Amino acid sequence: GENVEQHPSTLSVQEGDSAVIKCTYSDSASNYFPWYKQELGKGPQLIIDIRSNVGEKKDQRIAVTLNKTAKHFSLHITETQPEDSAVYFCAARPLGGGATNKLIFGTGTLLAVQP
Amino acid sequence: GAGVSQSPRYKVAKRGQDVALRCDPISGHVSLFWYQQALGQGPEFLTYFQNEAQLDKSGLPSDRFFAERPEGSVSTLKIQRTQQEDSAVYLCASSLGAVGVKGDTQYFGPGTRLTVL
Repeated sequence: GENVEQHPSTLSVQEGDSAVIKCTYSDSASNYFPWYKQELGKGPQLIIDIRSNVGEKKDQRIAVTLNKTAKHFSLHITETQPEDSAVYFCAARPLGGGATNKLIFGTGTLLAVQP
Repeated sequence: GAGVSQSPRYKVAKRGQDVALRCDPISGHVSLFWYQQALGQGPEFLTYFQNEAQLDKSGLPSDRFFAERPEGSVSTLKIQRTQQEDSAVYLCASSLGAVGVKGDTQYFGPGTRLTVL
């Protein structure tokens, strides 16, 4: 089945610096890749997503890139702010196995932005 | 507007007790998912409903886990004879459609934290 690996597990940056989180997936038929931000005691919140027919997508300080050949996708946060501190999860949606749109999540990255 | 809501937010059960966790998806959302999130891990898929039909229950860890969505809106995840390894946060998510772009975005609730003593 689909497997998603995420690195690094923890990331500490200074306010204003950029942060990059990388994920790889195993199922080449996966076609949808969302990124979620999870704050303590809350459910995951979608921050950006990308579909397999697109190589890059940007929304203000957040961007995602997808390399289908290498089966890699990355989250880039520029000009980080303390409120960006949270756990970030990547996910992939495999195509096989029927009608479900289930997501396979990575293990998460704890981002700490130091003021 | 209202998002996905879950209740209770916290549940403590003694080993062997049965528990029921409720999910109220966003109104009109066709798809509903349950995920289990262990401490320090990403959410793991449990089961999927399209309206009232349970189309995928491949992630349910044992026959002690049962989910239903009888009228295609509210869903209940039931765990019978709880064990300590069932301790986790149970997340519910819904999406507007079943396929295509409308089926992509999953909106998550705050989760129910289950602790089995």
